[in-house]
Amino acid sequence: AQSVTQLDSQVPVFEEAPVELRCNYSSSVSVYLFWYVQYPNQGLQLLLKYLSGSTLVESINGFEAEFNKSQTSFHLRKPSVHISDTAEYFCAVSAGGATNKLIFGTGTLLAVQP
Amino acid sequence: DGGITQSPKYLFRKEGQNVTLSCEQNLNHDAMYWYRQDPGQGLRLIYYSQIVNDFQKGDIAEGYSVSREKKESFPLTVTSAQKNPTAFYLCASSRQGTGGYTFGSGTRLTVV
Repeated sequence: AQSVTQLDSQVPVFEEAPVELRCNYSSSVSVYLFWYVQYPNQGLQLLLKYLSGSTLVESINGFEAEFNKSQTSFHLRKPSVHISDTAEYFCAVSAGGATNKLIFGTGTLLAVQP
Repeated sequence: DGGITQSPKYLFRKEGQNVTLSCEQNLNHDAMYWYRQDPGQGLRLIYYSQIVNDFQKGDIAEGYSVSREKKESFPLTVTSAQKNPTAFYLCASSRQGTGGYTFGSGTRLTVV
């Protein structure tokens, strides 16, 4: 069975500073990894995903995540955050296949301060 | 544009009443899911369905029921047996295989 751990429930950071949101997973099979973002009172939006190929994946708004198989991690990074990046971020893992169920972490609230 | 629609956005229910949350998608996705979200607990899977007329219990199915009579629709009924129904409910859909989910905008249910 897969599981996801997001150790940081909240990460405060000043605007224009870099940030890293940590995500570790456990799985006995090959996995697919996802980061979702949720703004207040909204659904989740896919930010980026790793399915195969290059271990570094990027989003259109400057976030990136690197799949590290040896450390079973998929940390999310951004070199310079904006106030508008304030949101909750969820890491998720799936074994794919016919079931394709996603297992979510408990989320990290990124709080960007001016 | 294709998407997934949840209605209503806010819902109030008296204790002892059943209530049904709507979820409709026009993405031609085979699979649909219902999650419950509580502060600090992430998303917990209630029910999921991979094909029409078939669905499976998730981790917290007690007090909930679903149906999947059409590919596009996956309504969730919160029954009076659910002891703590106040929460944010999210519906999602996906293709079979490796793709991620597409989420609706959620329904916030409050028991009064």
